[in-house]
Amino acid sequence: SQQGEEDPQALSIQEGENATMNCSYKTSINNLQWYRQNSGRGLVHLILIRSNEREKHSGRLRVTLDTSKKSSSLLITASRAADTASYFCATDEGGSYIPTFGRGTSLIVHP
Amino acid sequence: EAGVAQSPRYKIIEKRQSVAFWCNPISGHATLYWYQQILGQGPKLLIQFQNNGVVDDSQLPKDRFSAERLKGVDSTLKIQPAKLEDSAVYLCASSPVAQETQYFGPGTRLLVL
Repeated sequence: SQQGEEDPQALSIQEGENATMNCSYKTSINNLQWYRQNSGRGLVHLILIRSNEREKHSGRLRVTLDTSKKSSSLLITASRAADTASYFCATDEGGSYIPTFGRGTSLIVHP
Repeated sequence: EAGVAQSPRYKIIEKRQSVAFWCNPISGHATLYWYQQILGQGPKLLIQFQNNGVVDDSQLPKDRFSAERLKGVDSTLKIQPAKLEDSAVYLCASSPVAQETQYFGPGTRLLVL
């Protein structure tokens, strides 16, 4: 079963624009993580946000978490062609310590 | 610090054959995960180890898949016999403790003909 579902499924923007993708989940969580996967490569961890946190930053990345709406968003500011990748959110379903990934958002940044 | 190592990187087999994948996690990481990622989908957890004990294997097709983590370090995932629908990338990840950041290996791309 998939806990987190990313939206949109695909996003195409120009270099320099901001990209926002969302993740919705169904049950309570302890934390939520965002990962990036470039074509043909493994997944790379971006940010972990805990259930008692509302916002975290890392460089050009900003993640928010709204536990009342069971949703999170990932904002990439001033996007670059190198940001082209699939982005996944992962949650621990029901606080179970078992990670569940969504289907991902495919981001294309045109130079 | 060395990352998560996996081998082989690619494997092509015929259906009904068997195949094994190997994973060496980051040194000191207690938690090890095996995922299956079918093209166009997110990774699906197959099995999670804490040291050499199984935390969860509810999505592991136990009639054909098996995994072990001897001595709480390296792990192997085996498929016997393989089916066409097993074609996927098999990802291994490790983390210092459960629920924390996972570090992924490059994956093994399996094609079953």
